[in-house]
Amino acid sequence: SQTIHQWPATLVQPVGSPLSLECTVEGTSNPNLYWYRQAAGRGLQLLFYSVGIGQISSEVPQNLSASRPQDRQFILSSKKLLLSDSGFYLCAWSVGQGNYGYTFGSGTRLTVV
Amino acid sequence: GNSVTQMEGPVTLSEEAFLTINCTYTATGYPSLFWYVQYPGEGLQLLLKATKADDKGSNKGFEATYRKETTSFHLEKGSVQVSDSAVYFCALRLDDKIIFGKGTRLHILP
Repeated sequence: SQTIHQWPATLVQPVGSPLSLECTVEGTSNPNLYWYRQAAGRGLQLLFYSVGIGQISSEVPQNLSASRPQDRQFILSSKKLLLSDSGFYLCAWSVGQGNYGYTFGSGTRLTVV
Repeated sequence: GNSVTQMEGPVTLSEEAFLTINCTYTATGYPSLFWYVQYPGEGLQLLLKATKADDKGSNKGFEATYRKETTSFHLEKGSVQVSDSAVYFCALRLDDKIIFGKGTRLHILP
């Protein structure tokens, strides 16, 4: 069966520090991968998605970047965190198009102080 | 563009009450429609889905019917429980991306 792992679960980082959040998927090949952010009291904002190794689409300009070094690995990074980067970050995967929903990871709660 | 609009919360109900959370969408094609649920501190879980007009998705007592004529996908449950307290997201999928509504927080009082 397919599983998605996301870590760490919580993270407190000072302003200006770097960030690396990792997401891995098991049990499937060539998944579509997604990073979402959920700010306090707000909905889900799609940050990045990837349909293959090295293929990254950015939905909004921001202080973050994403990489996909392997088929089932998706990394969210920042060189210098801002206070506004605080939020709940969710990784998700899906296959194909159309009828399939996403499967989400358990999320990372990032607090920038 | 494509978008999802759902009723703002929070919605507060007593246990065993009837629930409706409204959701309407705008799409250029024929999307699949979803409801996701997020329990406190957790990621999102798929609750139910419908892939074409007049389809009814159902799970855990929740139901939603894909209404193409009204571009709606309202979530209903006949008798809610305290354990249903969560945030509910309506969503549509076209091609590679899912577009989510802003979420509706549901509080169920014992």
